[in-house]
Amino acid sequence: DIQITQSPSSLSASVGDRVTITCRASQRISNYLAWFQQKPGKAPKSLIYAASILQSGVPSKFSGSGSGTDFTLTISSLQPEDFATYYCQQYDSYPLTFGQGTKLEIK
Amino acid sequence: EVQLLESGGGLLQPGGSLRLSCAASGFSFSISAMSWVRQTPGKGLEWVSTISDTGGSTYYADSVKGRFTISRDNSKNTLYLQMNSLTADDTAVYYCARVPTYWGQGTLVTLSS
Repeated sequence: DIQITQSPSSLSASVGDRVTITCRASQRISNYLAWFQQKPGKAPKSLIYAASILQSGVPSKFSGSGSGTDFTLTISSLQPEDFATYYCQQYDSYPLTFGQGTKLEIK
Repeated sequence: EVQLLESGGGLLQPGGSLRLSCAASGFSFSISAMSWVRQTPGKGLEWVSTISDTGGSTYYADSVKGRFTISRDNSKNTLYLQMNSLTADDTAVYYCARVPTYWGQGTLVTLSS
């Protein structure tokens, strides 16, 4: 199974800040990595797929990069609605696996 | 607008069975592989199962293999998950998803005696 290590597990930031979350796969997954945002009591919302392609309707303040084993999600100019939990997921091979999540909190 | 609407969740006793459904609209369901993913507070997000667009190929997490069966009806744009021999560890919110882009709102399955 491909293990996904996501860091940090929590992150405290201020409105207007730029933050970066990373995911590392235990083996190469090409660009088969997606990022999701989840707010309490809500379903995950797709942000980015294929490592860097923005899902339709997602603002360009979200960006993804990486290939192979190392990936990053960057959120620029944080707004109150961006404070949530973020997950990555590899879909290169079964079983599909997720990172443990990063809880982004307001400082 | 893409919609994935799950139904069928509920409270039941360990050992029981349940069938979840997911009605899809707003995208080409019949040419999309579809998945079930579940979430518990303690274990985070866990992939459960995937079915190919035609239904000819299915994949399962080891934790549900032999107990759960994924299926689909492309004429009804509907995905299913038949869950048997349920245990407390299967308690979770179950999401229907077209990985990696679309997610449903989830349906809660609770196992309790």
